[in-house]
Amino acid sequence: AQSVAQPEDQVNVAEGNPLTVKCTYSVSGNPYLFWYVQYPNRGLQFLLKYITGDNLVKGSYGFEAEFNKSQTSFHLKKPSALVSDSALYFCAVMGYNFNKFYFGSGTKLNVKP
Amino acid sequence: GAGVSQSPSNKVTEKGKDVELRCDPISGHTALYWYRQRLGQGLEFLIYFQGNSAPDKSGLPSDRFSAERTGESVSTLTIQRTQQEDSAVYLCASSIVAPTTDTDTQYFGPGTRLTVL
Repeated sequence: AQSVAQPEDQVNVAEGNPLTVKCTYSVSGNPYLFWYVQYPNRGLQFLLKYITGDNLVKGSYGFEAEFNKSQTSFHLKKPSALVSDSALYFCAVMGYNFNKFYFGSGTKLNVKP
Repeated sequence: GAGVSQSPSNKVTEKGKDVELRCDPISGHTALYWYRQRLGQGLEFLIYFQGNSAPDKSGLPSDRFSAERTGESVSTLTIQRTQQEDSAVYLCASSIVAPTTDTDTQYFGPGTRLTVL
């Protein structure tokens, strides 16, 4: 079965500190992994994805994610958090036939000044 | 247009009525996606079109839901005999090629807020 877990409903971090939003997955075959962000009262935006190649993927707004096959994880990271990063983050995986997405439950990131 | 557009932006309907939601993707985008987000909840994938074809319709919540795409352009999501649990924001996105292409980026529309009374 294909699934994604975001174990933290909420992550709190101080501005300027590094942030990590966790994501683990279960999928048959090679995973295609995605991160999306939903800012308050704004639309959903694509952040980054892992298809193949380098395990460290760089995306928008200074975010990056590291694919770890042995731990079946795809954690989202940023070296220095901004208050404007406060938003809801979703991790997703494409299923084995690459025609369907499976989403995690979302993690609310709060960055405090 | 410059981005993905969806209409209507808001729809209030009575239980049992049929509704049709429209998505206009970015011109030239061959891939189109529909998602649903219930109030205060996470994202739910509904269906993905590559061109006019949707290879997997199992993400549609029930047989009351159907979607089609024509001319590799506009897509409509139809919900028949609406129920209160159908109340949600329905999001559409498009991308140039396919989500499995490394450089492909999804662009989301503003959504249609559906309220079933």
